[in-house]
Amino acid sequence: DIVMTQSPDSLAVSLGERATINCKSSQTLFYGSKSASCVVWYQQKPGQPPKLLIFWTSIREAGVPDRFSGSGSGTDFILTISSLQAEDGAVYYCQQCYSHPWTFGQGTNVEVK
Amino acid sequence: EVHLVESGGGLVQPGGSLRLSCAASGFTFSSFWMGWVRQAPGKGLEWVANIKKDATSKYYVDSVQGRFTISRDNAKDSLYLQMNNLRAEDTAIYYCARHGDFCLAYWGRGTLVTVSS
Repeated sequence: DIVMTQSPDSLAVSLGERATINCKSSQTLFYGSKSASCVVWYQQKPGQPPKLLIFWTSIREAGVPDRFSGSGSGTDFILTISSLQAEDGAVYYCQQCYSHPWTFGQGTNVEVK
Repeated sequence: EVHLVESGGGLVQPGGSLRLSCAASGFTFSSFWMGWVRQAPGKGLEWVANIKKDATSKYYVDSVQGRFTISRDNAKDSLYLQMNNLRAEDTAIYYCARHGDFCLAYWGRGTLVTVSS
């Protein structure tokens, strides 16, 4: 199975500052037919189901603010929140969709200072 | 608007069975892969299973293979998860999710399964 490892486990960022979450996969996730890596990012707030943010490494889901961006290649991927807002406090998960079983990272808790 | 509502969770003894259901609305159910994801209390997300549009392909995480069965009824816009031989480690909130483009685009609010004697 593909292992997804996120870092850090938690971070505290001041309002308006940049937050960066890393995700490393145990193997490449590149889909030649899509010319992209099959990596997805979700946001989960307490008591709520996860919400899709980013798919195919960098495609923002409709309605997601443009302060959220995804990047990366090979085995290293990044979720960036360019200017953290109060409502961005949540746990963020990466997930690989390259092969079954799909696997998630352990999650990164983002606290807004 | 896409709407997914899970039901069927509850308290069950180890070795017991439960059948989860997910009622879908707001989209053409038969046109989308569907899946289940679980989250143990205070823990992260674990993908459990998914099923192709016409149910001809199904995939499972190793830990449930042989014990859980995912199915769907496109005529009833419903997704199911039959869970047998339940273990304490299966205790979790179980989310139903509709696929997007190789992702889980829409999620229900989940149903809690507790396996305990």
